[in-house]
Order: sequence, then structure tokens, then C-alpha cells
Amino acid sequence: GESVGLHLPTLSVQEGDNSIINCAYSNSASDYFIWYKQESGKGPQFIIDIRSNMDKRQGQRVTVLLNKTVKHLSLQIAATQPGDSAVYFCAEILNNQFYFGTGTSLTVIP
Amino acid sequence: EADIYQTPRYLVIGTGKKITLECSQTMGHDKMYWYQQDPGMELHLIHYSYGVNSTEKGDLSSESTVSRIRTEHFPLTLESARPSHTSQYLCASSAGDRGHSPLHFGNGTRLTVT
Repeated sequence: GESVGLHLPTLSVQEGDNSIINCAYSNSASDYFIWYKQESGKGPQFIIDIRSNMDKRQGQRVTVLLNKTVKHLSLQIAATQPGDSAVYFCAEILNNQFYFGTGTSLTVIP
Repeated sequence: EADIYQTPRYLVIGTGKKITLECSQTMGHDKMYWYQQDPGMELHLIHYSYGVNSTEKGDLSSESTVSRIRTEHFPLTLESARPSHTSQYLCASSAGDRGHSPLHFGNGTRLTVT
């Protein structure tokens, strides 16, 4: 199967700071990527997606950057809030199949 | 918020019992999926369906079955539950336009087999 890995298993940030969560993917043919947020006891929630023909996409307080040269994906959360505390993981889509990483646990310190 | 529902939310059952986990979505999505997720671990695909009367096996399918008789309904059945089946089971759906649609997940069923 495909390998989708995250650089850091845990991340702690002060409330109001920006957060950056990283993800490495293994297949240069993957053409679609998604970031999910999963809170305790809930299913993964879609945050933002990006297609391989793009380098950057912005949403509300979130930005996803795609670097195809080094096969790297990042999620930036601006002005991190306590409600952002959750596990974040990326998904790589190849041939209509989704491949998920294990996730990074983000803790926001009030 | 995606309209995909899973029941029950929690289930404790004895070894050897047959169980069915329910999943329904009201979005008219063609593609539906079942994933297994242990705490802190990645999602593993169990089964998926690209439409009515279409089902395919994923990586962990050998001990379970699914059916897709209606677009909105995709139940997962464990014929004989074992302690190794203790896990969280997540159902998901997508619109399915050539793979560029995100998965929408339910809140999962937490299964414990004693």
C-alpha cells in the first residue's frame, strides 16, 4: 500500500499562535490530497483539500501547501484556538483509493 | 456537517455473536466505505461500494461482509465476533466524481468484544 506519514506525532501550541502540521507522501502520481480533523469520540471531519495541479489553497484560518518536488503537504492553522485541539491527518488519493496517515495530535495551550 | 449516520454508537458483545453495524447517508452519494480505526492508528479499509449491488473487499475484509441494496444504506456484518474485532468502525461516503471528492465520515461505532 501507499505510505502517508506525518513528521511529528504530537504538537503543542499556545492559543493565538499559528500551527503547522506536516505530511509526507510517497507516490508522485497521487493527484488529490485532503486534511482531516478528528476530535475524540468523533469521526474525521473534512478541513480542506487540494489537487495536484495547485501549490496552495486557503480556507477559513487554514492553508494547505503542496510541494510536489519533495512530496510534502502541510496544514497551517492561523490563530490557533482551543477548539482546534484534535488529531489531524492527511489523506493521499491515488487511483480513487484513499491512503491515510496515523495523524498528529495538536494540543492548544490556553 | 455531513449527513451520514452510524448505529449503534457503542456496542459490547460476547465472542461468537453475529452483529450488524448500520450506516446510512442522505446525500445520495454513490461511493460508500467501511474503515477500522484503532486508537492513535491509521484507518484501514474493510469494504467499499461504488453503487447499488456493487461491493469490493479492502485490506481487512476476510471476517466481515457488506451489502448495498439501496444507495443510502451500507451495513457491515461480522458473522462471529472475536476479541480481535474490538475497534472503532467508521463509515464514509463520497460523491465519487473521478476520485476528487472528499470522504464524509460518520461518528463511528465503538465495538468491544468480550
